[in-house]
Amino acid sequence: TQLLEQSPQFLSIQEGENLTVYCNSSSVFSSLQWYRQEPGEGPVLLVTVVTGGEVKKLKRLTFQFGDARKDSSLHITAAQPGDTGLYLCAGVQTHGQNFVFGPGTRLSVLP
Amino acid sequence: DSGVTQTPKHLITATGQRVTLRCSPRSGDLSVYWYQQSLDQGLQFLIQYYNGEERAKGNILERFSAQQFPDLHSELNLSSLELGDSALYFCASSQAGVNEQFFGPGTRLTVL
Repeated sequence: TQLLEQSPQFLSIQEGENLTVYCNSSSVFSSLQWYRQEPGEGPVLLVTVVTGGEVKKLKRLTFQFGDARKDSSLHITAAQPGDTGLYLCAGVQTHGQNFVFGPGTRLSVLP
Repeated sequence: DSGVTQTPKHLITATGQRVTLRCSPRSGDLSVYWYQQSLDQGLQFLIQYYNGEERAKGNILERFSAQQFPDLHSELNLSSLELGDSALYFCASSQAGVNEQFFGPGTRLTVL
């Protein structure tokens, strides 16, 4: 059983479309991070959310942390081919020790 | 460039062999993490070191071991290699008390 679940597992959309991917857990997290990974490369940190209900914007990307700090979402507006990659959420449970990663959402944006 | 370096970039070896992967964290980062990522799989946490001491352990096989040296670089030793050990191995580092991790470019290990 994954501590962090991500959905959808795969997503293929056309350039210009909007999309939302989700990261869910039954546990409370002290913070959650979102990373993007391109094939054969290491994940790159996009954002950290810490406060329940927090919303952070990074250009066309909007990240939200759930009020109960058990879930998070990533919304991309007007997706571009350069957004293609594996989106990973990760964090440490409030009463946990290990840093855990979700299985990721593999996004493909077609031109 | 995350500031985390890993060597070698590629490693090809045979079953039963032993290899050592090396990681240098970002300047000032005390924590080093090791992850394994098999083809089209997620990141599997192996082990974390903080300032030379083991801090957390994940799904690390007994054939694998790691250490962090006084200069804070880390090595991951993989022994009695099996075909299934073929994967990308990533190192990440973070500052003390901060969960954000910065990843190196990875070492691609191929066991033939």
